Amino acid sequence: AQKITQTQPGMFVQEKEAVTLDCTYDTSDQSYGLFWYKQPSSGEMIFLIYQGSYDEQNATEGRYSLNFQKARKSANLVISASQLGDSAMYFCAMRLNTGNQFYFGTGTSLTVIP
Amino acid sequence: ETGVTQTPRHLVMGMTNKKSLKCEQHLGHNAMYWYKQSAKKPLELMFVYNFKEQTENNSVPSRFSPECPNSSHLFLHLHTLQPEDSALYLCASSVRLAGDAGELFFGEGSRLTVL
Repeated sequence: AQKITQTQPGMFVQEKEAVTLDCTYDTSDQSYGLFWYKQPSSGEMIFLIYQGSYDEQNATEGRYSLNFQKARKSANLVISASQLGDSAMYFCAMRLNTGNQFYFGTGTSLTVIP
Repeated sequence: ETGVTQTPRHLVMGMTNKKSLKCEQHLGHNAMYWYKQSAKKPLELMFVYNFKEQTENNSVPSRFSPECPNSSHLFLHLHTLQPEDSALYLCASSVRLAGDAGELFFGEGSRLTVL
């Protein structure tokens, strides 16, 4: 069975500082993708970043980077230079490359403090 | 125009009512999904359709009835719901192309309240 674990229900970060949101996953499959989504209070889920299980380099998208440690089965999201608009829920997700189903964690609520 | 559009955004219904949620995607994707999001729980996958065919039904009660008339439209028909069905219902779509992440594109959700 596939499982995503996010152990930080809430996080606070000072504006302009960097923050790491933790994500661990469990699967016996070798081929999968890992995703991070942001959900502001408006409700829409916004795709941030993707890491394939065979990608050797950590993914980066602007201020977002994914710290992928395959042996530890972790896929932490790093947000650099936090902005007030980064305050939101953040969800880690996984999809096996053999199917269409996405597995989500319980999310981390990030609050950026001015 | 957003890629995935959900209507209505908010819905209040009684337990004996029949209503429907609508989702439309303009992205040319072949897969469409319904997720339920309740407070402090992971997103719960309800249904997946791939090229109009249902490929996943995650033990969803029969009071939720999906319909996918074509690859661009997805409905969730609701009848005799319970108060615990109150949640945010998210529609999403995706496409798997070689070299692409194949991420989910979400709508803004339909906030359902069952009285």
